[in-house]
Amino acid sequence: GESVGLHLPTLSVQEGDNSIINCAYSNSASDYFIWYKQESGKGPQFIIDIRSNMDKRQGQRVTVLLNKTVKHLSLQIAATQPGDSAVYFCAENWGGSEKLVFGKGMKLTVNP
Amino acid sequence: EAQVTQNPRYLITVTGKKLTVTCSQNMNHEYMSWYRQDPGLGLRQIYYSMNVEVTDKGDVPEGYKVSRKEKRNFPLILESPSPNQTSLYFCASSLLPPGQGILGSPLHFGNGTRLTVT
Repeated sequence: GESVGLHLPTLSVQEGDNSIINCAYSNSASDYFIWYKQESGKGPQFIIDIRSNMDKRQGQRVTVLLNKTVKHLSLQIAATQPGDSAVYFCAENWGGSEKLVFGKGMKLTVNP
Repeated sequence: EAQVTQNPRYLITVTGKKLTVTCSQNMNHEYMSWYRQDPGLGLRQIYYSMNVEVTDKGDVPEGYKVSRKEKRNFPLILESPSPNQTSLYFCASSLLPPGQGILGSPLHFGNGTRLTVT
């Protein structure tokens, strides 16, 4: 619930703006990445994923960009809405591992 | 509706009293996993299961047990809970282990169980 957002970096945007949430991943062998959204009182919800053989993937109002050179992942949300307010996590999986490793997350607040 | 169902949503118990948190998925997923979420520490994996009767330790398995007797169920057992196990727990499942398959296999999460051990 609300405690999930404690101690997290926060991004505040105005409704209608585009949002960019960044994530630095740790393992150069990681080949699969996922973005999750977690609203207060709920479990993480899958948003979009990307394989390392891609640089960009688009969904509905969201785009994930992958820069393997600097081990950086970003989530772009177009025309941000109040319902986008949540904590966002990136997760990585490296080839041969059966696990997902999660980042600490970022709290997005959308101001009306 | 495709979902991961955990019960109970909230649980308050005392030190040493055995408890079980149930998890069930209706998507015929092979892979299931338990996580705990703590402020400042993020999501940490407790145990996971690749298929029926196949379980393995995650990053923080101490004090927990799991079983996978049926494909749809993956209960988390705390034989002797302690206050440091107070946390928010999530069960998750995916068709295959994350990262496998041509497109990858994202985890789908339940809505969590908030456990307080006094």
